[in-house]
Amino acid sequence: GNSVTQMEGPVTLSEEAFLTINCTYTATGYPSLFWYVQYPGEGLQLLLKATKADDKGSNKGFEATYRKETTSFHLEKGSVQVSDSAVYFCALSEPTGGYQKVTFGTGTKLQVIP
Amino acid sequence: NAGVTQTPKFQVLKTGQSMTLQCAQDMNHNSMYWYRQDPGMGLRLIYYSASEGTTDKGEVPNGYNVSRLNKREFSLRLESAAPSQTSVYFCASAQLRGGSGGSPLHFGNGTRLTVT
Repeated sequence: GNSVTQMEGPVTLSEEAFLTINCTYTATGYPSLFWYVQYPGEGLQLLLKATKADDKGSNKGFEATYRKETTSFHLEKGSVQVSDSAVYFCALSEPTGGYQKVTFGTGTKLQVIP
Repeated sequence: NAGVTQTPKFQVLKTGQSMTLQCAQDMNHNSMYWYRQDPGMGLRLIYYSASEGTTDKGEVPNGYNVSRLNKREFSLRLESAAPSQTSVYFCASAQLRGGSGGSPLHFGNGTRLTVT
């Protein structure tokens, strides 16, 4: 079956530091890949996505590139802010039997300190 | 721009009690989902509805039932709550586009349920 593996947190960074959160996946087909972000007390929100190999998703300074050869979709940001503190989930999605089957990683908590 | 609305936000039940979690979306999405979120386990799919009038089991359906009341509303029912059902429950919706897995899920803010 499909699976998503993320680096364990929590990750603590100083403001303006460079962020990388690793994500690798296993899938039988050609999935779409996503990063979702969850702020305290809220649901998950889409951060960025990529639907095919070599696509780069980007949003709010975050980027991730769909690497089929290494089955990875690492999240990066050049300069984090305190407001980026949240839990980040990597996910893959495949259309299966008429619905969208989404497999989530376990989440990585990011704390950014001033 | 309400998106996905879940009620209630918090609930405490005693073992054996029943309750229904409500979910409504205003984005005209065809598919809706119920997930539970537990520490260290990510999100696990309980039930889904690919379109109005259809529902199906996900990864962890035992102890739950669902109803797709119409295109907007998808409720989750716990008939006899157990402590193992203590969790945060999220409803989500997405617009399925034939054969494409690229549609993102839109989530509500969750229901925090404690079963004592």
